[in-house]
Amino acid sequence: QKEVEQDPGPLSVPEGAIVSLNCTYSNSAFQYFMWYRQYSRKGPELLMYTYSSGNKEDGRFTAQVDKSSKYISLFIRDSQPSDSATYLCASMDTGRRALTFGSGTRLQVQP
Amino acid sequence: ETGVTQTPRHLVMGMTNKKSLKCEQHLGHNAMYWYKQSAKKPLELMFVYSLEERVENNSVPSRFSPECPNSSHLFLHLHTLQPEDSALYLCASSQARTGNTIYFGEGSWLTVV
Repeated sequence: QKEVEQDPGPLSVPEGAIVSLNCTYSNSAFQYFMWYRQYSRKGPELLMYTYSSGNKEDGRFTAQVDKSSKYISLFIRDSQPSDSATYLCASMDTGRRALTFGSGTRLQVQP
Repeated sequence: ETGVTQTPRHLVMGMTNKKSLKCEQHLGHNAMYWYKQSAKKPLELMFVYSLEERVENNSVPSRFSPECPNSSHLFLHLHTLQPEDSALYLCASSQARTGNTIYFGEGSWLTVV
């Protein structure tokens, strides 16, 4: 079983839609949760970072972590064509120094 | 501009060649990482250097050899690679003790022919 599972998509939505991207994880020791955005042929760019359970909002983006169900979500409001990219969730426990990634979900926002 | 610079951006090499990938970070971090990204697979951690000491090596074949001469520079030396090693190689950096926020470079696209 992969430690972080993510639906690869692609997920296609019309411009202006609310997008929900999700991951599940299996390691109860994970405490840190991140979302990265990766455009084609570019490196991953850090979007959101949360510690433990709860919500965090930054502009049109909201990250949500539910540790009881081991579920990680990223919501994008008023989606734009420029949001079209692959979104990677990642987690880390306090004992390690590196992230464990999901395989990424490809999002397409149609104008 | 992410503060992590990788060169070359693209590399084509034969299976008998020796080449190196270079990474430089301008963020004042003291931990650096090599990740491998293949099509339809999660990013795979290869090596971690913290305070210039290799602290993690994820069962990577010996044909990949990392080097970290100081906290700002990281190399990945490549020799006698296989076609299945063709991938995007990503360098990243963070602060060692708080290391949660990891910043990536743009990657080096490697094709082995």
